[in-house]
Amino acid sequence: DAGVIQSPRHEVTEMGQEVTLRCKPISGHDYLFWYRQTMMRGLELLIYFNNNVPIDDSGMPEDRFSAKMPNASFSTLKIQPSEPRDSAVYFCASSFRGGDTGELFFGEGSRLTVL
Amino acid sequence: GESVGLHLPTLSVQEGDNSIINCAYSNSASDYFIWYKQESGKGPQFIIDIRSNMDKRQGQRVTVLLNKTVKHLSLQIAATQPGDSAVYFCAENTGANSKLTFGKGITLSVRP
Repeated sequence: DAGVIQSPRHEVTEMGQEVTLRCKPISGHDYLFWYRQTMMRGLELLIYFNNNVPIDDSGMPEDRFSAKMPNASFSTLKIQPSEPRDSAVYFCASSFRGGDTGELFFGEGSRLTVL
Repeated sequence: GESVGLHLPTLSVQEGDNSIINCAYSNSASDYFIWYKQESGKGPQFIIDIRSNMDKRQGQRVTVLLNKTVKHLSLQIAATQPGDSAVYFCAENTGANSKLTFGKGITLSVRP
């Protein structure tokens, strides 16, 4: 398997624009996690899904952020409208079991810069 | 709120020496702990985990120690190699759900 695949790897956009980040989890994994990483706040869990259903979105900063998982092989994280403080590296991770019993496999991240 | 944290932001060691990376956690309900390694430009990668019913667990060149009394976790790397240079994170889970809470991370730099 190629691992967790994220796109785009880098995105530079202007404030107010819509940003869509994409993730393809490892086949057979039924948990999917979206994390955000910044120097100030470290790795923060935004939302996670189990069997395509959002389980906990308490980490989503505000209504500008939304995430979907229409099927087992694809998820999106959307920011609309984007703001400079959203600049960060966004990681998608998947696991066969949840974070309480197994390791998470992370993608290489999407580095977002909002000007 | 309760969180996972690290004592030191950076650690520099000589190649071949042993490394010890420390982590303090404050959530007494946490019962599962994981160490991750993140190389530059990549996502975190699982190293080793330990449950609260254990004090020590060994892997290949790595050992994790858990002291529940003082809420302290450590990662020991034997015979540190240049390839070990990375940022290391400890993470915790309470078992109530699938959320992993990560610490801020510590940079390990290996001197040749």
